[in-house]
Amino acid sequence: GQQVQQSPASLVLQEGENAELQCNFSTSLNSMQWFYQRPGGSLVSLFYNPSGTKQSGRLTSTTVIKERRSSLHISSSQTTDSGTYLCAMEPPSGSWQLIFGSGTQLTVMP
Amino acid sequence: ETAVFQTPNYHVTQVGNEVSFNCKQTLGHDTMYWYKQDSKKLLKIMFSYNNKQLIVNETVPRRFSPQSSDKAHLNLRIKSVEPEDSAVYLCASSSSNTGQLYFGEGSKLTVL
Repeated sequence: GQQVQQSPASLVLQEGENAELQCNFSTSLNSMQWFYQRPGGSLVSLFYNPSGTKQSGRLTSTTVIKERRSSLHISSSQTTDSGTYLCAMEPPSGSWQLIFGSGTQLTVMP
Repeated sequence: ETAVFQTPNYHVTQVGNEVSFNCKQTLGHDTMYWYKQDSKKLLKIMFSYNNKQLIVNETVPRRFSPQSSDKAHLNLRIKSVEPEDSAVYLCASSSSNTGQLYFGEGSKLTVL
């Protein structure tokens, strides 16, 4: 089965609403990262979050390593937040690759 | 601000041709990667390379090969493309100290 499960797969919001995106991991992990991908664009690293809570502007990432989950909270969404949000996990020591989830497609309507 | 540069960003070619994508990073990172993103947005690692070791995902077909001249460059060569190679190929780099990944803009390959 998939090691990284993201939910929801897609989300439509009205501008100003908040969003909560989830990542669950089926195996133990060293750390995880959140990425944002603009439509047709490159991936941008939002957070490198081994554990705890990190905030950057309207974005907040909370990772609980022991519970194998992470969330990304977007407050007061804007149309420019539209795009794909991907989370990725770093498996325990000895593994070399990041494992990505399938992403959450976010659309923020004006 | 882009610090991982990929060229070309788009390439259309026919089955059986050879294709190369170039990647350069200016972040001083010691590790570079190539990822493949399919039409469903799933990202899968293809190669990881630092100045000491090349690691290959065993599921990657042999027609794919990475080429590196120094730690700031990692190119991707596809010897004889197949239709299933149509995808976006993303180059990335990281420092082994932090692990945080930085991606290039991507190179979209269409195989006719």
